[in-house]
Amino acid sequence: KNQVEQSPQSLIILEGKNCTLQCNYTVSPFSNLRWYKQDTGRGPVSLTIMTFSENTKSNGRYTATLDADTKQSSLHITASQLSDSASYICVVSSIWTNFGNEKLTFGTGTRLTIIP
Amino acid sequence: DGGITQSPKYLFRKEGQNVTLSCEQNLNHDAMYWYRQDPGQGLRLIYYSQIVNDFQKGDIAEGYSVSREKKESFPLTVTSAQKNPTAFYLCASSIGRENGEAFFGQGTRLTVV
Repeated sequence: KNQVEQSPQSLIILEGKNCTLQCNYTVSPFSNLRWYKQDTGRGPVSLTIMTFSENTKSNGRYTATLDADTKQSSLHITASQLSDSASYICVVSSIWTNFGNEKLTFGTGTRLTIIP
Repeated sequence: DGGITQSPKYLFRKEGQNVTLSCEQNLNHDAMYWYRQDPGQGLRLIYYSQIVNDFQKGDIAEGYSVSREKKESFPLTVTSAQKNPTAFYLCASSIGRENGEAFFGQGTRLTVV
């Protein structure tokens, strides 16, 4: 069964500090891995998308890594800001038909709170 | 400006009533999706559509129905057969092919009263 597990479930850090969120997956066949940011009561917004051959990808203060061998990914946030308070969702994509139809498996997210 | 729009943002339903959630996109995307989000759970796929006039059941389709008469629109009806409809519903669209980014709407929170 395809699964995406994220840790920690929740995290509280001081403004200006760095943090790292983890994602382990057992999705097959693997197509790509995405990180989304979801503010409370809003839709998720894409941060990064990485394919099998990519080890790291940055988007401003967000840096995602991917180890396809161990099936692990991390999202590192540098110099956190109050606006970073949100849920961060790891999503793994697999291609499941010959037409390239894509199936997304979502993690339950990490709830990040930045305090002043 | 381009994007994906869901309406309404909040919706209240009496038990036994059907309600329809709207999802419209002007991104010219072929694929559209409906997800349900419950506290402590990942998003679960209800229905998806790869092209106009075609749609497929997702993992939790029971009690829901959809239509895809136009490329831009993918409304979701929550029927009285859905036993636990209170949730946050998210619509998404993508080009429908490998590595195509999925864009999400702002969501509709449905509450049964």
